[in-house]
Amino acid sequence: NAGVTQTPKFRVLKTGQSMTLLCAQDMNHEYMYWYRQDPGMGLRLIHYSVGEGTTAKGEVPDGYNVSRLKKQNFLLGLESAAPSQTSVYFCASSYPKAAPEETQYFGPGTRLLVL
Amino acid sequence: GNSVTQMEGPVTLSEEAFLTINCTYTATGYPSLFWYVQYPGEGLQLLLKATKADDKGSNKGFEATYRKETTSFHLEKGSVQVSDSAVYFCALSSASGGSYIPTFGRGTSLIVHP
Repeated sequence: NAGVTQTPKFRVLKTGQSMTLLCAQDMNHEYMYWYRQDPGMGLRLIHYSVGEGTTAKGEVPDGYNVSRLKKQNFLLGLESAAPSQTSVYFCASSYPKAAPEETQYFGPGTRLLVL
Repeated sequence: GNSVTQMEGPVTLSEEAFLTINCTYTATGYPSLFWYVQYPGEGLQLLLKATKADDKGSNKGFEATYRKETTSFHLEKGSVQVSDSAVYFCALSSASGGSYIPTFGRGTSLIVHP
């Protein structure tokens, strides 16, 4: 099992450029999440998905879009990057059975720098 | 809504010292509680969890007890090692509109010196 993988590991963008971050999991998890991590701010939820074809907004969704066309993949898109989106992005997934004691499994992160 | 409050870091200790990282929470219902650890350059990974009041989670010498009366889930370790240097996140998960979306604290950085 590869677990949760993220592509790319690091990217530099210019303001206004677009890009897509890919998250893939091979654990047959129903739930997938995108977070951003900034110094002093902890983890903030951007968007999440509770199943294939469904997405929902988290705490900080503005400027991002997501898609979950396949159960194993969760894509995060930036249509027009801004310097405020410089961050480390983490994807996570969790067990198919919806229960509070679900453990989240995290990817290694994508470091994004927007100039 | 749900919230998690952790003590601010960094926490700096010498090797073999006792560690406590405080965590308190606000939630409706009966949440599950977690501690995650993030080593430098990596993603978060589960350290331990507890699913009901008075449960004690433990792993790698770390422990935390689910205290409903004080809404707390403090992380402790009797003797820290340099390899424990990391960022520790307290989190909770409870039903919200039918979806179990976790809430994380801001993280506490631990630095252990030899």
